[in-house]
Amino acid sequence: NAGVTQTPKFRILKIGQSMTLQCTQDMNHNYMYWYRQDPGMGLKLIYYSVGAGITDKGEVPNGYNVSRSTTEDFPLRLELAAPSQTSVYFCASSYGTGLTNSPLHFGNGTRLTVT
Amino acid sequence: QKEVEQNSGPLSVPEGAIASLNCTYSDRGSQSFFWYRQYSGKSPELIMSIYSNGDKEDGRFTAQLNKASQYVSLLIRDSQPSDSATYLCAVSGGNQFYFGTGTSLTVIP
Repeated sequence: NAGVTQTPKFRILKIGQSMTLQCTQDMNHNYMYWYRQDPGMGLKLIYYSVGAGITDKGEVPNGYNVSRSTTEDFPLRLELAAPSQTSVYFCASSYGTGLTNSPLHFGNGTRLTVT
Repeated sequence: QKEVEQNSGPLSVPEGAIASLNCTYSDRGSQSFFWYRQYSGKSPELIMSIYSNGDKEDGRFTAQLNKASQYVSLLIRDSQPSDSATYLCAVSGGNQFYFGTGTSLTVIP
């Protein structure tokens, strides 16, 4: 079972470059999330989606964009990368928050360095 | 802003002891509660979920929920060095999952 798959695992960007972090899930989950985690810190929500065609901002959306054209895929776009975006990025998915027995499943993360 | 609070630790316990991790949350309407374990450099992995008041046991792990006190805890019995990790408390509500900043646990052999 693949679960939540993120690519790439590692990436180094120069300031001002752009990139897309890929995330796909095969569990038919409606809800998908992007978090960032800085060293020694907690998870911060960037964007989330409750279904195809629907996206919402989280706590720290500036500098990022997302799209959700299919149930399976939820890519995160970084435009004009800045050193402050150096972090580990986690994609996660769930059936939904209004259901019991519906935890969040995480991908393995993408470690991004902007220099 | 819905808040989830955890003691950041670090918490150190000797091997074989009981580790007790605590979490409080602000939204009284929250219905689902989770404990995740995160090893350094890895992604969070679910170890327990709890939805009803009381205790839920799974192997060496016991989750306890008290909705009246807005409190959820995790007990780890017979702690092992492999339990050394950061433990994240999460609460779901609205369309989001809200995480505490995590408690760092070290089990000393």
